[in-house]
Amino acid sequence: NAGVTQTPKFQVLKTGQSMTLQCAQDMNHEYMSWYRQDPGMGLRLIHYSVGAGITDQGEVPNGYNVSRSTTEDFPLRLLSAAPSQTSVYFCASSYSHQNTEAFFGQGTRLTVV
Amino acid sequence: GENVEQHPSTLSVQEGDSAVIKCTYSDSASNYFPWYKQELGKRPQLIIDIRSNVGEKKDQRIAVTLNKTAKHFSLHITETQPEDSAVYFCAAYYGNNRLAFGKGNQVVVIP
Repeated sequence: NAGVTQTPKFQVLKTGQSMTLQCAQDMNHEYMSWYRQDPGMGLRLIHYSVGAGITDQGEVPNGYNVSRSTTEDFPLRLLSAAPSQTSVYFCASSYSHQNTEAFFGQGTRLTVV
Repeated sequence: GENVEQHPSTLSVQEGDSAVIKCTYSDSASNYFPWYKQELGKRPQLIIDIRSNVGEKKDQRIAVTLNKTAKHFSLHITETQPEDSAVYFCAAYYGNNRLAFGKGNQVVVIP
């Protein structure tokens, strides 16, 4: 199993550009989520999904969209990038949305200039 | 939302000594408390977890204790080694769907 795969690893965007961060898992996990990691702020939940076709907002959803058309994929879209979205983004998946280990992707370092 | 707090933010210990990191949480319905370790430039990885029906759990040099009444849980690392140097995150589920993380503790093991 590859686990959780994120692409790209690094990205530089100009303010106002849009892009999609890809996340795929091959463990047949129901639950997938996106976090951003900023210095001193820990991991903050952006959006999550408890299964295909179901998504919900986390703690910091503004400026981001998600969809979950398949069990395997959970892309994160930045509609109009802003410097405040400069961060490291992690996708995670777990077998269930209730109390099971979260497996993280390798992260995407995004810089918005 | 869920508030998970970690103290202290940075912890320096001599190699061989013990390290303790404490976390508090606010949602009394939380019943699963994992700890993640993140080495520099890498992804967070689970090192130990505990459920609310257990007060303590050990795995070699690592242990976690839970006090549900006081709503706090702690990570204990004994006989610290240089490879224990990392950022450690505590977390708690709330609302059954959301995993909230603390801000993290930098542990530095001094050889």
